[in-house]
Formats: sequence, C-alpha cells, structure tokens
Amino acid sequence: EDQVTQSPEALRLQEGESSSLNCSYTVSGLRGLFWYRQDPGKGPEFLFTLYSAGEEKEKERLKATLTKKESFLHITAPKPEDSATYLCAVLHPRNTDKLIFGTGTRLQVFP
Amino acid sequence: EAEVAQSPRYKITEKSQAVAFWCDPISGHATLYWYRQILGQGPELLVQFQDESVVDDSQLPKDRFSAERLKGVDSTLKIQPAELGDSAMYLCASSRRGMQFFGPGTRLTVL
Repeated sequence: EDQVTQSPEALRLQEGESSSLNCSYTVSGLRGLFWYRQDPGKGPEFLFTLYSAGEEKEKERLKATLTKKESFLHITAPKPEDSATYLCAVLHPRNTDKLIFGTGTRLQVFP
Repeated sequence: EAEVAQSPRYKITEKSQAVAFWCDPISGHATLYWYRQILGQGPELLVQFQDESVVDDSQLPKDRFSAERLKGVDSTLKIQPAELGDSAMYLCASSRRGMQFFGPGTRLTVL
C-alpha cells in the first residue's frame, strides 16, 4: 500500500536546539517528495521538492534530504517563528498529479 | 505573488443543511484539487480537475458531495446534506508542472 509516515507526531524544542523530522514512504518508483509548512488555520505552504536519492535542498534554517526510503527535514538553531506543522507528501505512483500526505509533525519552539 | 483564493474562510452550519465553497486557482493553472483535512491529519484528496474534467474523484462521497469547474477556471464544492462528520478544513489547491499551491482553506463546523 502506498503510504507516508511521519515521526515524531509532535516535537518540542528550545530555541537554538537543532533537530530532525522524519518522513518514510512506501511507494513504488518515487517520482517526487514534497515538504510543506502549515500554520494553524491556514493552508499548507510549499517548502521543498526532492526527486532523487542524495538530493538536498536548503532554505534559511531548514534543509531537506532524501534517501531511497525516507526524507529528513533538518532544522538548525530553530526560532519560535519556526513553530508549525510540517507535512510530507509523495506523488502517487499511478496519478503523478496526486499527492499522498503524511499526518505531519507538529513543531513547537520555545524561547 | 499569485495565490489561490477561497471563500468563505469560515462556515458554521447545522446538520442536514447545504453548504458550498468556492475556489479561484492561480491564473494559468489547469489542474485544481479539493482536499479535506481533519484536525491532526494530513490533507486527503476529494476531487481533482484537469481543466473542466474530473480526473480523480475516488474519495469523494458522491451521495452528498458534488464538485464542478464549469469553465475550467474557478470551482465550487457542495455538500448536501451536511453531517456532523463533515466538520473539517476544506482546502483548494492548483498546480502547474507538478507543483501544488494551496489556498487558505475553509473551516467548516457542522452543529
């Protein structure tokens, strides 16, 4: 079954305390993996797209990496404004315009 | 910067009533999606349009939900009659070249 699993469900960090979020997937022939940020009561905001194992993308304090089985979102020296839910999604293997989402990791960064 | 527009942002209704949500995608985006997101979960695709045609509505509860995109631009999602379990965030997204961009969503509460 095509599935995306994110861990942990929730993460509490002190400001400046670096950590990583995990997204593991079970789809045949990955065609693309996406990371989104979602603030409470708002729609997801696009962060990164990764297409092949070994690929890395960076934006400010965030870096996304991809292996053949999982992706990591590394957060370096987080700030309170990084608090949000981070969603991972993969392209459906048979409908490449369709995204399969994980349940997200809720990140809280305390000053 | 172009954005996906949705209205209303919030809707409170009683069960058995009809509700409708509207979405205007980013100009030039041929693919439009409606998602439902229950609190604490990732978005789940309800229906996908390519121009005015439905590509995927396999998860749309067709006994009560309907969606249309008559001129291949804006779209309406309707629920009739609403049930308590329909309380959720309804997200619209549009895409070009595989990149999906989300609107702010409509928060539906069914009493």
